[in-house]
Amino acid sequence: DTAVSQTPKYLVTQMGNDKSIKCEQNLGHDTMYWYKQDSKKFLKIMFSYNNKELIINETVPNRFSPKSPDKAHLNLHINSLELGDSAVYFCASTPSDGNNYGYTFGSGTRLTVV
Amino acid sequence: GDSVTQMEGPVTLSEEAFLTINCTYTATGYPSLFWYVQYPGEGLQLLLKATKADDKGSNKGFEATYRKETTSFHLEKGSVQVSDSAVYFCALIPPSGSARQLTFGSGTQLTVLP
Repeated sequence: DTAVSQTPKYLVTQMGNDKSIKCEQNLGHDTMYWYKQDSKKFLKIMFSYNNKELIINETVPNRFSPKSPDKAHLNLHINSLELGDSAVYFCASTPSDGNNYGYTFGSGTRLTVV
Repeated sequence: GDSVTQMEGPVTLSEEAFLTINCTYTATGYPSLFWYVQYPGEGLQLLLKATKADDKGSNKGFEATYRKETTSFHLEKGSVQVSDSAVYFCALIPPSGSARQLTFGSGTQLTVLP
């Protein structure tokens, strides 16, 4: 199936741990994103990569580090997890002319920090 | 900066009622406009889009018209169904700039009762 796929779907972990979320798209898109959705459903962009190059880095703690080994993958690594990191994280992708196309989103990773 | 304002929810309607969810935007020039839908426990799906003034996007009985004069993109459906219960997000991508990120409104929770 052509899609944006994220793993894992659910992640429960203790404060202070380090965790990673993986994202892969097989749509041939050039640009990938990470969004965070808080408990009130508000969506905020975190990072954007275009052809493995970082182009957007919003005000995000440096405990969050994106890594793009190739243009089909954008992983998110989080160090020293805090309670406030609990949220749903969405990966998305778009072709270069995404302003006409819109984004394709993954199904999300629900992170719960206890 | 660019922003999107949606009517606050939650919105509760009876089946077959008429739906309007208001959305206005602030942006320079002519952004592309989108409505996304998030069903419970799922990711975001593109519902419809419009890329220039006076365009009408439509899908699954939903419609929205790009109104430059009122900077609005209101979502409408003539007869809602229980299966339409979801969170609806209005969003825009600016027309130019090196980082054309998708900026979301705060989302509107819709519940349709049988």
